[in-house]
Amino acid sequence: ETGVTQTPRHLVMGMTNKKSLKCEQHLGHNAMYWYKQSAKKPLELMFVYSLEERVENNSVPSRFSPECPNSSHLFLHLHTLQPEDSALYLCASSQVAGGSAGYTFGSGTRLTVV
Amino acid sequence: AQSVTQLGSHVSVSEGALVLLRCNYSSSVPPYLFWYVQYPNQGLQLLLKYTTGATLVKGINGFEAEFKKSETSFHLTKPSAHMSDAAEYFCAVRVYNSGGYQKVTFGTGTKLQVIP
Repeated sequence: ETGVTQTPRHLVMGMTNKKSLKCEQHLGHNAMYWYKQSAKKPLELMFVYSLEERVENNSVPSRFSPECPNSSHLFLHLHTLQPEDSALYLCASSQVAGGSAGYTFGSGTRLTVV
Repeated sequence: AQSVTQLGSHVSVSEGALVLLRCNYSSSVPPYLFWYVQYPNQGLQLLLKYTTGATLVKGINGFEAEFKKSETSFHLTKPSAHMSDAAEYFCAVRVYNSGGYQKVTFGTGTKLQVIP
């Protein structure tokens, strides 16, 4: 148990579907993150939330929409995705924003867009 | 620019042999450095970190890394590889973006294969 739980573990969706990824952390951390991990590419930071406020949005297409209703929960809403969006989506949390004390990652959601 | 470079996308070692995974960084400020491990179908797990103080840092599973400022390196080592060490390893460095906000940027990863 890592303390960061992501659901679902696997998701297959069509390009016209709408789905959501969920992340929950039980560590009392104040910052949460979404990362995209694609084959043969570095981890891409997508969004950062600190104390439920979005503090960073790394030029992510609008078909990805994050939501952080409280400091324990983070969602990534998906709509009209493209096949190149297929990847492992990782959620992470840290005590403070910036991750200088290290991140705790969830196990990820393996997304396949067909 | 602040970044991290991992030398070698794949490394193979025999079981019981020394593990050495290389990482070099560039940073305009005193760096915070990290090593993470990712097992198949899992997220990343923090192995160890260097912030300040002692330059030889010990982590979980018998791994350690040494911060060498003169060489801008933070190589990961383990004296004797075990089959369970087979995974992908990521070096990371704390950086500052243009707004002065700190975040962690990751290297491209090194896959470690352990041969029986």
